[in-house]
Amino acid sequence: DTGVSQDPRHKITKRGQNVTFRCDPISEHNRLYWYRQTLGQGPEFLTYFQNEAQLEKSRLLSDRFSAERPKGSFSTLEIQRTEQGDSAMYLCASSLGGGAATNEKLFFGSGTQLSVL
Amino acid sequence: AQSVTQPDIHITVSEGASLELRCNYSYGATPYLFWYVQSPGQGLQLLLKYFSGDTLVQGIKGFEAEFKRSQSSFNLRKPSVHWSDAAEYFCAVGGFQKLVFGTGTRLLVSP
Repeated sequence: DTGVSQDPRHKITKRGQNVTFRCDPISEHNRLYWYRQTLGQGPEFLTYFQNEAQLEKSRLLSDRFSAERPKGSFSTLEIQRTEQGDSAMYLCASSLGGGAATNEKLFFGSGTQLSVL
Repeated sequence: AQSVTQPDIHITVSEGASLELRCNYSYGATPYLFWYVQSPGQGLQLLLKYFSGDTLVQGIKGFEAEFKRSQSSFNLRKPSVHWSDAAEYFCAVGGFQKLVFGTGTRLLVSP
């Protein structure tokens, strides 16, 4: 169990550029989540995958945001035409779902810190 | 709508003293409640969770929390704080597919 990995750890970009983040979940975990955390706030849910299917998207996920999990393993989160308001920590989490809910546990990665100048 | 309130932005506790972090929630049904800890450069780590049953739940690192339905609260406690407990603590409500987090409480531990 190597944990949830996120790449890159930090990303600095200019407004209007596109950025892509990657998340590698714990192997065998069928569920994958993206959250966004801004300074002084708790994480906010963005989207959730079960295997390769994207089952829920938050209204926070505007049309500039797209997330994929093409083979049900790693996931990418792309932000097009970045804005300064996109500056945040983007967190990925994974879990093994399908059994009793009481046994499910989310494992979070360390996040990708995005700074839009 | 689901929401979580953590009224204390910062708390300072002396090492060895007891700790209580407050959490109030708003949820339409019986909530699933969680406490997470986040250290600098680290991912969020689950301390404990409440689904049903015994309202006093034990977690890792010596933490416990008590669910009080009448007060819509789920306060986190530890009898004796260690310097390594300094971190940010988040209360959360909801199902695993969509957690709603509070704004967090930063715990500072003084020697």
